[in-house]
Amino acid sequence: EADIYQTPRYLVIGTGKKITLECSQTMGHDKMYWYQQDPGMELHLIHYSYGVNSTEKGDLSSESTVSRIRTEHFPLTLESARPSHTSQYLCASSRTGALGTEAFFGQGTRLTVV
Amino acid sequence: QKEVEQDPGPLSVPEGAIVSLNCTYSNSAFQYFMWYRQYSRKGPELLMYTYSSGNKEDGRFTAQVDKSSKYISLFIRDSQPSDSATYLCAMRPGGSYIPTFGRGTSLIVHP
Repeated sequence: EADIYQTPRYLVIGTGKKITLECSQTMGHDKMYWYQQDPGMELHLIHYSYGVNSTEKGDLSSESTVSRIRTEHFPLTLESARPSHTSQYLCASSRTGALGTEAFFGQGTRLTVV
Repeated sequence: QKEVEQDPGPLSVPEGAIVSLNCTYSNSAFQYFMWYRQYSRKGPELLMYTYSSGNKEDGRFTAQVDKSSKYISLFIRDSQPSDSATYLCAMRPGGSYIPTFGRGTSLIVHP
């Protein structure tokens, strides 16, 4: 079982609030990712990091920001939540290498903005 | 046209059936192919990964890649109700660690 943890699992928050979704992994993986997933739809990459102090935006435009100060920690922040941010957010990690480097996912955070 | 196409289903089968799940893709640069299983309200769980064309077997699961047809499959033998989940295919080029996902196929195995 993958050792990657997301908190909270569920969050209901009002419009305009600032929120941080936490993601930590204990596998020593250098690469970490945030995906957004709506019901019945593909996973869309919103942010990724290839190491400490390295962050990039993904394919899906997002108003969120991320930081990578420690290898094991990759939090995602929304400065001002809106109902359009309602979705499931999935964190993943992987390691550098040739094979066996595929991503492991956390259990997800289901965010509802009211 | 999406890079990865996957029929969302649902696919409903009786217990014990052989299940075939498929994805097609358009990017010939894809070299690594993965299958994830996702239970309701959970994160995706890596089931199998393969490199380039060929077959790979793991217990009741067999992953098959046909690069000439840009077609990948996941076969599940002796399907069980506990196999009921959404199965996502994913793939990536050799020079990238970021996979492109299909939208997933919902599988229902009824007793």
